[in-house]
Amino acid sequence: DADVTQTPRNRITKTGKRIMLECSQTKGHDRMYWYRQDPGLGLRLIYYSFDVKDINKGEISDGYSVSRQAQAKFSLSLESAIPNQTALYFCATSDLKGQGLINEQFFGPGTRLTVL
Amino acid sequence: AQSVSQHNHHVILSEAASLELGCNYSYGGTVNLFWYVQYPGQHLQLLLKYFSGDPLVKGIKGFEAEFIKSKFSFNLRKPSVQWSDTAEYFCAVNSHNAGNMLTFGGGTRLMVKP
Repeated sequence: DADVTQTPRNRITKTGKRIMLECSQTKGHDRMYWYRQDPGLGLRLIYYSFDVKDINKGEISDGYSVSRQAQAKFSLSLESAIPNQTALYFCATSDLKGQGLINEQFFGPGTRLTVL
Repeated sequence: AQSVSQHNHHVILSEAASLELGCNYSYGGTVNLFWYVQYPGQHLQLLLKYFSGDPLVKGIKGFEAEFIKSKFSFNLRKPSVQWSDTAEYFCAVNSHNAGNMLTFGGGTRLMVKP
């Protein structure tokens, strides 16, 4: 079951390089999210998008940018990668139901990024 | 600041032991609550969720969680763990007061010894 896919799955890069992580979904959800996971810190929200024309900063957006190319695609870019951006990156999708409270998210397999 | 706290960062149990992982949140108002699990090398999967109604929620693989509104808690329990439960567990909260976004706790890494 590959409803939410991420490419690449692993990437090693050097400081200062520009990196793009891609996320695609076949769930038909409007909402998409990018998180990073660091040991002991859980998942922290980088950016999110409620539809193609809507982009919002999350908790830790500095050093990152995003592009919502279509309902199904949401890309995360590191304009100039630095070592403290070494982390596991997850894309997620969700759809609102009912009165809008429900926000169950479905996650991709993750991208492990190492910045040397 | 609104937050989700998981007090146990690492838990080691033997098979058949009972499990309880703590989760507390600081939001006011209406909340939805989730527990996600991340098995080694895999992505996050939903274990269970609370939206409304019975505060005792049953999820997959024998897990359950109890929402105690007065304590702002949503602890995860399992009566008898298995080696295959070795994973990292994340509590998450969605609140009107936080713009309907999910906020995650820091995670609890569980190791079950065979």
